[in-house]
Amino acid sequence: DQQVKQNSPSLSVQEGRISILNCDYTNSMFDYFLWYKKYPAEGPTFLISISSIKDKNEDGRFTVFLNKSAKHLSLHIVPSQPGDSAVYFCAASDGSNYQLIWGAGTKLIIKP
Amino acid sequence: DARVTQTPRHKVTEMGQEVTMRCQPILGHNTVFWYRQTMMQGLELLAYFRNRAPLDDSGMPKDRFSAEMPDATLATLKIQPSEPRDSAVYFCASEGQGARVSEAFFGQGTRLTVV
Repeated sequence: DQQVKQNSPSLSVQEGRISILNCDYTNSMFDYFLWYKKYPAEGPTFLISISSIKDKNEDGRFTVFLNKSAKHLSLHIVPSQPGDSAVYFCAASDGSNYQLIWGAGTKLIIKP
Repeated sequence: DARVTQTPRHKVTEMGQEVTMRCQPILGHNTVFWYRQTMMQGLELLAYFRNRAPLDDSGMPKDRFSAEMPDATLATLKIQPSEPRDSAVYFCASEGQGARVSEAFFGQGTRLTVV
């Protein structure tokens, strides 16, 4: 049973436009969410996070939105740049331990 | 530049052979994770340690996988005997203490191919 789902395996966006990556979760006990970015042949790197007490967190071109009632979060990248082409993972924690539950990832391709 | 170091980066081995993957966490980090990434799934937690003590290894096939932290600067993941279905990229990550859940720092991974 996948508790964190990223239903789009890939997404293609024109350079300069907005990229929106989506993530759904089923466990209402999750209270902390993270996005990681992964380039080929490298490990994932932390990008941005959000606590369940917030509904939005912004860091430069990256904004994460959390909709607790829908159990949905999204990552917005604007404007999209070629260097943003990577696989993006959504992860969640319920705080009971330090485990993160990961989605399967979405491959973002930024077209020039 | 603090980083998590994994060795080897690539490993090709024959079915039945023992495989050992090593990880040097970031100095001072007290939590170490082992993850596996396969083509079909995202990151799958195999085991994690806090202050060198194993806290959860329920994600590992116990009959063939073992994880240890001989000291604070080294974590190992061993597969014996290896099978073709073990082919995947294995990531080690470490995390500092303080925040309840902080962002983990990942190594570059060990790409394992079992033929």
